[in-house]
Amino acid sequence: QVQLQESGPGLVKPSQTLSLTCTVSGDSFSSGSYYWSWIRQPAGKGLEWIGRIYTSGSTNYNPSLKSRVTISVDTSRNQFSLKLSSVTAADTAIYYCAREVRVTGIHDYWGQGTLVTVSS
Amino acid sequence: DIQMTQSPSSLSASVGDRVTITCQASQDITNYLNWYQQKPGKAPKLLIHDASNLETGVPSRFSGSGSGTDFTFTISSLQPEDIATYYCQQYNNLPWTFGQGTKVEIK
Repeated sequence: QVQLQESGPGLVKPSQTLSLTCTVSGDSFSSGSYYWSWIRQPAGKGLEWIGRIYTSGSTNYNPSLKSRVTISVDTSRNQFSLKLSSVTAADTAIYYCAREVRVTGIHDYWGQGTLVTVSS
Repeated sequence: DIQMTQSPSSLSASVGDRVTITCQASQDITNYLNWYQQKPGKAPKLLIHDASNLETGVPSRFSGSGSGTDFTFTISSLQPEDIATYYCQQYNNLPWTFGQGTKVEIK
């Protein structure tokens, strides 16, 4: 059974960098069949795809965030991470990590989500 | 980006009612469409992939159809545990995009 767990600060000051890590348990992390994604959801609003990484390190980002986003992977720890720079209140959201099945766009496993608030 | 427009944004129906949600893409996405259910305080859960394929373990009262730009999600007989927000998601072109969601409530 695959499990994903987000971790990181719940409060970030404006203009600073938001940093989150997703730890994946189970044996699928380096299998080559999946992308590892970040998706966010402002309170009471819809879902926004942030980007994804393959275990080779290849990434895809949402153009709306591309200038501020970095997703990285640490296969030795079964972890992947999100950094979002120059945050504003508009970046306040629940951040989810998820597994995407290659070629299908299916996000079949999700973390529970972590609320990140941007405030001074 | 491909825009996904869901309607209605919310609906209220009685237990046992048939519920239909539509999702329209701003361009042809063939059948590259998934549907998710999100209950309050929880992560989304995949229900249907490739427009009409039911995910393993999902009750058969859920179904999806459509291709091109117009898609439909149906609950054939609404149950109390179906109270949630439902999202469509396209995966024809990056960035993947979601509809704005349809909140389903019990009347």
